[in-house]
Amino acid sequence: SQELEQSPQSLIVQEGKNLTINCTSSKTLYGLYWYKQKYGEGLIFLMMLQKGGEEKSHEKITAKLDEKKQQSSLHITASQPSHAGIYLCGAGTYSGAGSYQLTFGKGTKLSVIP
Amino acid sequence: DSGVTQTPKHLITATGQRVTLRCSPRSGDLSVYWYQQSLDQGLQFLIQYYNGEERAKGNILERFSAQQFPDLHSELNLSSLELGDSALYFCASSVGTGKLSVYEQYFGPGTRLTVT
Repeated sequence: SQELEQSPQSLIVQEGKNLTINCTSSKTLYGLYWYKQKYGEGLIFLMMLQKGGEEKSHEKITAKLDEKKQQSSLHITASQPSHAGIYLCGAGTYSGAGSYQLTFGKGTKLSVIP
Repeated sequence: DSGVTQTPKHLITATGQRVTLRCSPRSGDLSVYWYQQSLDQGLQFLIQYYNGEERAKGNILERFSAQQFPDLHSELNLSSLELGDSALYFCASSVGTGKLSVYEQYFGPGTRLTVT
């Protein structure tokens, strides 16, 4: 089965600093999703990457997909307290019957100190 | 607001009981997914429906079942509840499903189930 490893598990940064979160898959990626979650709340969709080399940005958050390495990175520039939360990556896989499902990493907990 | 709605927001029940969680997908979305999130297991895919038909099954227990109705809302039924079923249950929706196509999945706010 698909396994996703996120690193680091937690991160504490000073406001204004840049940071990167990584997500590595044990299998071929068919779609890589990034979500943000406040503790105990719903997941907020950030970005979905499909093709190797693809890069997407939303405000100060940029995500890249390295298909060969089966890896994605999420980069936040000039972090703000509003960026604090748990970042989850999810990878799509296909079963033999053609069904598609997402497997998620354990998450990276980000704290931003004002 | 993702456009996906879930009710109830919180549910407290006793072991052995049966509960039903409800989800309404975003307007225009035909696919509904159910996930369970617990501290020890993380976020786990349970089951997917597309336009009323079951499409994919993940780590769903036999005590759990789901269905999607003609108006596309979905219900997740959990029976013979155990303490270990206490978790956040999320519903997500996407516009489609299919081989070699990936779609953005939008999550609802979740239902927090506490089994006592």
